[in-house]
Amino acid sequence: KAGVTQTPRYLIKTRGQQVTLSCSPISGHRSVSWYQQTPGQGLQFLFEYFSETQRNKGNFPGRFSGRQFSNSRSEMNVSTLELGDSALYLCASSFQGGGANVLTFGAGSRLTVL
Amino acid sequence: TQLLEQSPQFLSIQEGENLTVYCNSSSVFSSLQWYRQEPGEGPVLLVTVVTGGEVKKLKRLTFQFGDARKDSSLHITAAQPGDTGLYLCAGEDYEGTSYGKLTFGQGTILTVHP
Repeated sequence: KAGVTQTPRYLIKTRGQQVTLSCSPISGHRSVSWYQQTPGQGLQFLFEYFSETQRNKGNFPGRFSGRQFSNSRSEMNVSTLELGDSALYLCASSFQGGGANVLTFGAGSRLTVL
Repeated sequence: TQLLEQSPQFLSIQEGENLTVYCNSSSVFSSLQWYRQEPGEGPVLLVTVVTGGEVKKLKRLTFQFGDARKDSSLHITAAQPGDTGLYLCAGEDYEGTSYGKLTFGQGTILTVHP
C-alpha cells in the first residue's frame, strides 16, 4: 500500500513569488490535512479537506490556500512568499480508527524562501 | 486555544538508560497520539491512546494517558541509539470536530549515545 506522496521534496523561491505543493493521499483515504513545521513554532495546522470541501482551517493568513480534487489529491498554495514561510510543509491523510483520527504523514516539502 | 506542553525539549543520554517524556495540557483530549520523526522525513505514528488511564506498551516503549485525559507520558526502557529522533505528542480535540487537526507539542529531541 503506497504511502502519502508529496511533491516537490525541496524547492527554493524568492520573496514575493508563489508556490504550489502537491499531496497524494493513501488510496481510500478521503481526508487530507496540511501542516507547517518550523523550529520555532513546531507543527501547526493549516487546513483539512474532505471530499473536496475544506472542513477545518488553522490560524494562517489568506495567502495560504488549498484545494482537493475528486481523486482526493490535494494542493496547497502560498502566494506572495515571505521569508518566514520557509518551513517543512507536511501533508497527512487520515481515517477514523479505534476511536481516534489517525494521521499518516508524507515526507514533506521543504520550502526555502530567499 | 488548546496547548500541549512537552518536556524536556532536549534529552541526551547513554545507551541503556531509561527516560520519560511528558506531555501536559489544561485541555481535555479525545485521544493522544505519539509520533517519532527522523530528519528529512514526516512524523510516524507510534501509538494512539483514547481511554483515560490507558497504558500501552510497544516493545521497550510504554505510553500512558492520564485519568483526566489531559496529559500523557512516554517511557523508554534501556534506550538504544536507534531510538534517536524527535518525539512528538499530539492531541485530538475532545469535541470530535477536529477534522484532521491535531494540537502538537513542541517535541523532544532525543539523542542516545552508544
